[in-house]
Amino acid sequence: DAKTTQPTSMDCAEGRAANLPCNHSTISGNEYVYWYRQIHSQGPQYIIHGLKNNETNEMASLIITEDRKSSTLILPHATLRDTAVYYCIVRGDLYNFNKFYFGSGTKLNVKP
Amino acid sequence: DTGVSQDPRHKITKRGQNVTFRCDPISEHNRLYWYRQTLGQGPEFLTYFQNEAQLEKSRLLSDRFSAERPKGSFSTLEIQRTEQGDSAMYLCASSRDGRNTEAFFGQGTRLTVV
Repeated sequence: DAKTTQPTSMDCAEGRAANLPCNHSTISGNEYVYWYRQIHSQGPQYIIHGLKNNETNEMASLIITEDRKSSTLILPHATLRDTAVYYCIVRGDLYNFNKFYFGSGTKLNVKP
Repeated sequence: DTGVSQDPRHKITKRGQNVTFRCDPISEHNRLYWYRQTLGQGPEFLTYFQNEAQLEKSRLLSDRFSAERPKGSFSTLEIQRTEQGDSAMYLCASSRDGRNTEAFFGQGTRLTVV
């Protein structure tokens, strides 16, 4: 039931911005976009979520396109500790708002 | 630390044995979720509680699996007659009510069935 499409892996240089794309072309009007990440052998960590407006917190920024069919997670200054699998999740439709559907995510490799 | 706590962190068991895992959610969270994650895959939904009521179960949750949340606080996940295919990380998460809420995950229990 994956509702999102993400690249399998991406590389980023330490100190540079990491831009992780996500396609969610079938998103409906009341579904939120969530981002989590998972560092090896740990539980998923919440990053950010949004509905239609761009969002920013201390960890990242979330840019959602006007048609809401895609979004980008931005880590402004990636560090080696940001190496993880990043999951883009669509949540909130009438039948599935109790669950978070995780796909395979994007493995972000931050390199020195 | 007031995050989601899971116990034990690791469990090795022989095939056919029963195992039980515990999850303590964040105290004011009335929603609790169990997920399973195998190597190289994203977490897969198993079941969900709203307070003490188990409102949804995935078809992944075979009849050997049972989850409880008796007082609406901590939860247990029991696997009976374990099989090698049950080897996985079992993750618990909790959240407040609402569609615009984030879920916080514990560190998981890694089960190895030998």
